[in-house]
Amino acid sequence: KQEVTQIPAALSVPEGENLVLNCSFTDSAIYNLQWFRQDPGKGLTSLLLIQSSQREQTSGRLNASLDKSSGRSTLYIAASQPGDSATYLCAVKGWDNYGQNFVFGPGTRLSVLP
Amino acid sequence: NAGVTQTPKFRVLKTGQSMTLLCAQDMNHEYMYWYRQDPGMGLRLIHYSVGEGTTAKGEVPDGYNVSRLKKQNFLLGLESAAPSQTSVYFCASSYSNGYSSNGYTFGSGTRLTVV
Repeated sequence: KQEVTQIPAALSVPEGENLVLNCSFTDSAIYNLQWFRQDPGKGLTSLLLIQSSQREQTSGRLNASLDKSSGRSTLYIAASQPGDSATYLCAVKGWDNYGQNFVFGPGTRLSVLP
Repeated sequence: NAGVTQTPKFRVLKTGQSMTLLCAQDMNHEYMYWYRQDPGMGLRLIHYSVGEGTTAKGEVPDGYNVSRLKKQNFLLGLESAAPSQTSVYFCASSYSNGYSSNGYTFGSGTRLTVV
């Protein structure tokens, strides 16, 4: 059974810092991995999707990498801003019985202080 | 705005009561999903649907039932609520089975408390 963990559980940084969020998964036989952002009281917004054949994806100040063999992904946020404060979740899609299902990590709660 | 709408946003139930959560999407998506989110455990799939008239069990289906009578609506029912069902419930939809960029659109959630 696929398990996804995220470290750290919470992170507080001053504005302008570059930071890295970590995601680990136990079964490397994944189809893709996706990073989401969740704001309080709101749903999830997709940030980046990495296919299993890819090593990284970039969008603006965000860069996500994938090392499938070691079961790890990182989300790099450059020049952090207070507006980046949110919970960040990673999710992996595997070749499992549920077919359509992403397995989610518990999230990293990020606070960027002005 | 197009998207996924969940009603209600908040609800308090007594143990043993029943209720239905409604999810509506206006993007003509085939696939719809119900997740629950609990502290420290991430989102877990309850049930999902791959099209009108179809439903399937997810990871944690016990105590819940679903129906997809219309393509745009996916209902989640609790027949006899238990305190263990206190959670935040999210609905999501996608135009494919998720093997594509930004395929999932999530609703804003329903916070349910069972006392």
